[in-house]
Amino acid sequence: EIVLTQSPATLSLSPGERATLSCRASQSVGSNLAWYQQKPGQPPRLLIFDASHRATDIPARFSGSGSGTDFTLTINSLEPEDFAVYYCQQRSNWLTFGQGTKVEIK
Amino acid sequence: EVQLLESGGDLVQPGGSLRLSCAASGFTFSNYAMSWVRQAPRKGLEWVSTISGGGSTYYADSVKGRFTISRDNSRNTLYLQMNSLRAEDTAVYYCAKAIWVGEEPKRPFDYWGQGTLVTVSS
Repeated sequence: EIVLTQSPATLSLSPGERATLSCRASQSVGSNLAWYQQKPGQPPRLLIFDASHRATDIPARFSGSGSGTDFTLTINSLEPEDFAVYYCQQRSNWLTFGQGTKVEIK
Repeated sequence: EVQLLESGGDLVQPGGSLRLSCAASGFTFSNYAMSWVRQAPRKGLEWVSTISGGGSTYYADSVKGRFTISRDNSRNTLYLQMNSLRAEDTAVYYCAKAIWVGEEPKRPFDYWGQGTLVTVSS
């Protein structure tokens, strides 16, 4: 099983700041990595697939990068609605999720 | 508009059974792999099972032999039969749609339902 480790567990930032979230895989997943956003009481929402491709209707302030074992989700200029939990997911060897990074208001 | 509506969640005793349903609309259901993903209270996401449009099935090790995924393409409905339930199966169960058409089961999920809560407790 491929283990995804997300860091940090919590990121405390102010609106307008940049958020940089990390996801590290225990073995290479190529570019087979997605990012999801989840707000309390809601299902996850797909943000990024195949490491760097934004999903439909996702704002340009969200970007993904990386390949192999190290991936980054960047949120430029945080909006109030961006404070949420973010999960990475790999689909190289079945499907596993990271444990999540909470982006909270500082 | 794509909609996924889960139902069937309930309180069940350990060792019991439950069947979840997910009614889909707004897309050609039979063309897409569909999955169940669960989230234990205050925990992260865990993939449970996937079924391709053609009916091939795949399971996480944690549920293999206890859960059965199926679909009725004529009714646009996805199912999850859960047997021999354990306390650790307690979670919100989401159904999720694969982003692309095709038989490949390992896809990102572009639409999710609101989830249905399964509680396993005596």
